[in-house]
Amino acid sequence: RKEVEQDPGPFNVPEGATVAFNCTYSNSASQSFFWYRQDCRKEPKLLMSVYSSGNEDGRFTAQLNRASQYISLLIRDSKLSDSATYLCVVTGSSGTYKYIFGTGTRLKVLA
Amino acid sequence: GAGVSQSPSNKVTEKGKDVELRCDPISGHTALYWYRQSLGQGLEFLIYFQGNSAPDKSGLPSDRFSAERTGGSVSTLTIQRTQQEDSAVYLCASSRITDTQYFGPGTRLTVL
Repeated sequence: RKEVEQDPGPFNVPEGATVAFNCTYSNSASQSFFWYRQDCRKEPKLLMSVYSSGNEDGRFTAQLNRASQYISLLIRDSKLSDSATYLCVVTGSSGTYKYIFGTGTRLKVLA
Repeated sequence: GAGVSQSPSNKVTEKGKDVELRCDPISGHTALYWYRQSLGQGLEFLIYFQGNSAPDKSGLPSDRFSAERTGGSVSTLTIQRTQQEDSAVYLCASSRITDTQYFGPGTRLTVL
């Protein structure tokens, strides 16, 4: 079983739609959680950190469920510019320095 | 301010040759990381530096891979006797201690 699992997609959604991605992780001792965004042939960029209490940044909402070991990302009112691959990141139990990446979920927002 | 920079952006080499990849972290970032992203694969952790020392080298795939960091700044990842399976994008990231990691644009390595 992979340490971090994501549905690779692609998710093809119309502009204005709401879309949600989930990510599961296997190590219950993981301490920190993030969503990164990666555009084609570009480096990953931090989208948001994920906290147990949930956090929101504009159209983006991230949630963490430690009991079920999953992380979610909700995007409301999708824009064409949201088209990218969304990477779920979990830190290892040996320390928060070691990022473990999922393979990413590809989103395509259609006009 | 300036972000993480990496050079070269692209490297094509022949099987069996050695290559050196360079990373310049964000100024003031004490932690530096190397990752590898192969086609269709997630990012794979290679090595972590805190200052000039590497407390975790567990991700280096073989003894052909080595990395060093000097002056608490620039890092070089060296791959000796390259193989075709080494073809990938090599990404460097830096952070303050163990804070959020910021990635460079990567070096795309192609081994023919």
